[in-house]
Amino acid sequence: EVHLVESGGGLVQPGGSLRLSCSASGFIFNNYAMHWVRQAPGKELEYISGVTPLGSSTYYRDSVKGRFTISRDNAKNTLYLQMSRLRAEDTALYYCAKDTEPFGELLFNCFDSWGRGTLVAVSS
Amino acid sequence: EIVLTQSPDFQSVTPKEKVTITCRASQSIGSHLHWYQQKPDQSPKLLIKYASQSLSGVPSRFSGSGSGTDFTLTINSLEAEDAATYYCHQGIALPHTFGQGTKLDIK
Repeated sequence: EVHLVESGGGLVQPGGSLRLSCSASGFIFNNYAMHWVRQAPGKELEYISGVTPLGSSTYYRDSVKGRFTISRDNAKNTLYLQMSRLRAEDTALYYCAKDTEPFGELLFNCFDSWGRGTLVAVSS
Repeated sequence: EIVLTQSPDFQSVTPKEKVTITCRASQSIGSHLHWYQQKPDQSPKLLIKYASQSLSGVPSRFSGSGSGTDFTLTINSLEAEDAATYYCHQGIALPHTFGQGTKLDIK
C-alpha cells in the first residue's frame, strides 16, 4: 500500500525558512514524478512544484519561483521542499502527491496518492 | 495558466438523488481532466481520471464525461458518505490547475 507522510511544517515568521519532507513507501519511489500541492485554509488546491523521477526536471509556479526548491533523495525515498523568504500568503496545508503512472514527466498525469499534509503558518 | 471553473459552488442534495457537477476549461485540454473527492479533514482522493476512466475501488455510481473544454462528474443515487468537496484538475499544461471546488451537502 502506498504511504506518503509529510513533515516539517510549523509556525514561522515572514521572511523565514522551512524544509518540508515527504517520506514515501509502498511503491518504487524513483519510478514516479512527485509533486507538492497546497491548500490555504478553506480554499482550493494549488499546485506549486513537481520533480521528475530522477530529479532531472523541476517546475515551480510563478509565486514560489526563486523562493522554493524541490528535490528528492531516491535512496531515502524522500521528497523535499525547501521554502525560504516565506510570506503570509504561503500559509497552507502542504500535500505531497504521487503520479498515477510511472516514468512520467511533469505533465499528462494525475495524482493517485496524497499524504495527509503538513501545516505551514507564516505569521509574526 | 489554464483556468478551470466548476459549477455549482455548493449544492444541498438528498440521498438517492442524481448529482451533476460541471467543469469548464479556459482552453481545450482534450481528455486531460481528472476528478477528486475531498472529505473534511482528509486529503483528496482520485475518483475519475482522463475525463471518464473509472478507478478500482471507486463506487460505480461515480462517472465522468466530456472532452475539450466541458466536463461533467455525475453521481448516481447519492449516498450520505458522498458529502464532500469535489475538484476537477487538468494535467496537460503547467502549472497543473484545479477548479475552485464544489461542496456537496447531504440533507
